[in-house]
Amino acid sequence: DAGVIQSPRHEVTEMGQEVTLRCKPISGHNSLFWYRQTMMRGLELLIYFNNNVPIDDSGMPEDRFSAKMPNASFSTLKIQPSEPRDSAVYFCASSFPLTGGEQFFGPGTRLTVL
Amino acid sequence: GNSVTQMEGPVTLSEEAFLTINCTYTATGYPSLFWYVQYPGEGLQLLLKATKADDKGSNKGFEATYRKETTSFHLEKGSVQVSDSAVYFCALRETSGSRLTFGEGTQLTVNP
Repeated sequence: DAGVIQSPRHEVTEMGQEVTLRCKPISGHNSLFWYRQTMMRGLELLIYFNNNVPIDDSGMPEDRFSAKMPNASFSTLKIQPSEPRDSAVYFCASSFPLTGGEQFFGPGTRLTVL
Repeated sequence: GNSVTQMEGPVTLSEEAFLTINCTYTATGYPSLFWYVQYPGEGLQLLLKATKADDKGSNKGFEATYRKETTSFHLEKGSVQVSDSAVYFCALRETSGSRLTFGEGTQLTVNP
């Protein structure tokens, strides 16, 4: 299995631009998670989906952030408009609770907003 | 609510030293417990897990035992290597549900 796939791996953009991060979970996994990691705040859960349905988005910082999961094999996290304080590494993870619930993480997208 | 508390880092050891990273948790019911490791520039990887009291998870020389009486899941390794330098995260998952609650992470540096 290819594992969780994220794209792009690196993104540099200017303040005010729209940013879209993409994630392909492991085939067969039915839970998907978006995290943000920074030195100041550590690892934060932004939102997670079960069976393509958003379950808890309480970690989404504000309305500038949105996430979708149109099907079981694809999810996006969008920031519009982006701000310098959004600079972080964004991780996607997937799991299948019935087989132990451990989450498998992608390699992350390093976002820099200038 | 659920919470996980890890010993504060960073931790610096010499090669072949004994490692302990403390982890305690607060949860209702009978959570599953995990240790994840994050190497520089990479995502988190599952290191080991335990799903019930007194279970011992082990992998790559690392061990942790699920202690319900002390609500702990301390990570140990008898002889660390330079390649073990990474950030280690303790986490729990409730009996029902799929989300994990992570600790703050502990940076380990092993010097030759």
